[in-house]
Amino acid sequence: AQTVTQSQPEMSVQEAETVTLSCTYDTSESDYYLFWYKQPPSRQMILVIRQEAYKQQNATENRFSVNFQKAAKSFSLKISDSQLGDAAMYFCAYRDGSGGSNYKLTFGKGTLLTVNP
Amino acid sequence: DTGVSQDPRHKITKRGQNVTFRCDPISEHNRLYWYRQTLGQGPEFLTYFQNEAQLEKSRLLSDRFSAERPKGSFSTLEIQRTEQGDSAMYLCASRGGGANYGYTFGSGTRLTVV
Repeated sequence: AQTVTQSQPEMSVQEAETVTLSCTYDTSESDYYLFWYKQPPSRQMILVIRQEAYKQQNATENRFSVNFQKAAKSFSLKISDSQLGDAAMYFCAYRDGSGGSNYKLTFGKGTLLTVNP
Repeated sequence: DTGVSQDPRHKITKRGQNVTFRCDPISEHNRLYWYRQTLGQGPEFLTYFQNEAQLEKSRLLSDRFSAERPKGSFSTLEIQRTEQGDSAMYLCASRGGGANYGYTFGSGTRLTVV
């Protein structure tokens, strides 16, 4: 079974600074997807960024980028120029690439990010 | 389209009572998922529907839990004889077909069993 581990329960960053959230995963599959989701307090979970395992290039979305190390099974999220609105719980998630898993997500326990003004 | 809607947003119930939650997915999404999120944990998969067929159920889904998706549209999740351990956020998500389609999550129903 696939597992996702987020070893940082909480992180804090100063506004405008950069922060990196860590995630490791375990799988025997070669085709899979990795995601970072953001869950603000009392609001719905939204996708921040995703990475296809077959792509060597790290995904980027504006101020958000990932460092995908496939051999090490590591998938960290870097948030640059942090903003107050980035404060939220961040979840790392894994999904098999094949339909046999019904595309269900496996989540880590989350990292609570605080942004200090 | 207004996204995935869940109702109610909050539910407080006494232990032993039955509760039912509703999820309205994005209309063109044929796949619907229920997840449960307890305090300090990430969401955990409960069950999956493709159209009206319930194709997978987690072992987390005890006999007290039942989910339906009549006509492949909205879905309901019922918990019978609620226990304090059922207190959690219940998340619904929908997606279209194929590997490249992403999830859209609802805002969840927070259940508190007292």
